[in-house]
Amino acid sequence: DAGVIQSPRHEVTEMGQEVTLRCKPISGHDYLFWYRQTMMRGLELLIYFNNNVPIDDSGMPEDRFSAKMPNASFSTLKIQPSEPRDSAVYFCASTPGQETQYFGPGTRLLVL
Amino acid sequence: GNSVTQMEGPVTLSEEAFLTINCTYTATGYPSLFWYVQYPGEGLQLLLKATKADDKGSNKGFEATYRKETTSFHLEKGSVQVSDSAVYFCALKGGGSTLGRLYFGRGTQLTVWP
Repeated sequence: DAGVIQSPRHEVTEMGQEVTLRCKPISGHDYLFWYRQTMMRGLELLIYFNNNVPIDDSGMPEDRFSAKMPNASFSTLKIQPSEPRDSAVYFCASTPGQETQYFGPGTRLLVL
Repeated sequence: GNSVTQMEGPVTLSEEAFLTINCTYTATGYPSLFWYVQYPGEGLQLLLKATKADDKGSNKGFEATYRKETTSFHLEKGSVQVSDSAVYFCALKGGGSTLGRLYFGRGTQLTVWP
């Protein structure tokens, strides 16, 4: 299995631009999680899905952030418009409903 | 509610030194407990876990024992190596929950010098 796949691995953009992060979970996993990691705030859960349905989006910082999961093999996290304080590493993780979460390699986002 | 508190880093050790990273938790019910490790430039990966009181999780020379009486899950290794340099996260999954969510601590940076 290829593991959780995230793209792009690195993204540099200018303030005000739209950013779309992509995630392909491990096949057969029915939970998908989006996290954000910064030095100041550590690892934060943004949103998670079960069977493509958002279960808890209380960690999404504000309306500029949105996430979708149109099918079991694909999810996106979108920031529009982006701001410098959104600079972070964004991780996607998946699990088959058991306890071990499998993390992707992350997307390093820098907003100038 | 559910929360995890782990010792502040960074922790700096010489090779072959003994390692302890403290982790305590607050949870409703009977949680499962985990240690994840993050190597530089990578995502988190499971290091070890324990699903009930008095269980000991172990992997790659690391150990942690689920202590219900002290609500703790401290990570230990008898002799660290340079390759153990990473960030270590303690986490819990709440007992009774079927939703798969994990609650993570802030992480502890470990640096091992040769």
